[in-house]
Amino acid sequence: ETGVTQTPRHLVMGMTNKKSLKCEQHLGHNAMYWYKQSAKKPLELMFVYSLEERVENNSVPSRFSPECPNSSHLFLHLHTLQPEDSALYLCASSRQLGRRSGANVLTFGAGSRLTVL
Amino acid sequence: SQKIEQNSEALNIQEGKTATLTCNYTNYSPAYLQWYRQDPGRGPVFLLLIRENEKEKRKERLKVTFDTTLKQSLFHITASQPADSATYLCALESGSNYQLIWGAGTKLIIKP
Repeated sequence: ETGVTQTPRHLVMGMTNKKSLKCEQHLGHNAMYWYKQSAKKPLELMFVYSLEERVENNSVPSRFSPECPNSSHLFLHLHTLQPEDSALYLCASSRQLGRRSGANVLTFGAGSRLTVL
Repeated sequence: SQKIEQNSEALNIQEGKTATLTCNYTNYSPAYLQWYRQDPGRGPVFLLLIRENEKEKRKERLKVTFDTTLKQSLFHITASQPADSATYLCALESGSNYQLIWGAGTKLIIKP
């Protein structure tokens, strides 16, 4: 285990459903991230939280809604998704934000495989 | 904008040989570069970080080089084993406090 736990590991949902992805980290890190990974494409950064405050919303459609109630938990709420949203959604954490080398070393969860029908 | 290129085709290597993966970037001079390993159905796992003023970094059978003139990093696995088979991702520091720029990864297959 990496210390970052994601649930569920697999999710199938219709376009009209509402579901949530959950991430929990036990590393004492201050920053948490949501990434989208599609086949043969680079990781796409979606959201960044630092000390529970959203730092970045990387032009993500409003059908994705993040929530960070505390520094250990991160949620991604999903509603009225499209089939092209099917992907692996990865949660990650790092000690802190910053350009100093090592600050952005990420610890990832195993991911939530989302299929939108 | 910054761009990273990794060989999109799978790399097949015979067990025991050295595997070399390439990461090329353009339009930027990153302060550091990271390498991660990703197994099927799992998230990426951090392997090594190399700074712009470091030519080479080693960790057990792994070696990373960083040539800021060529804008290239090479990732070597010596005495490769079938267990080294995975997808390897490079990521470079982008100049922001939180955003890494990622390559799409190279799939490495070590044949027994």
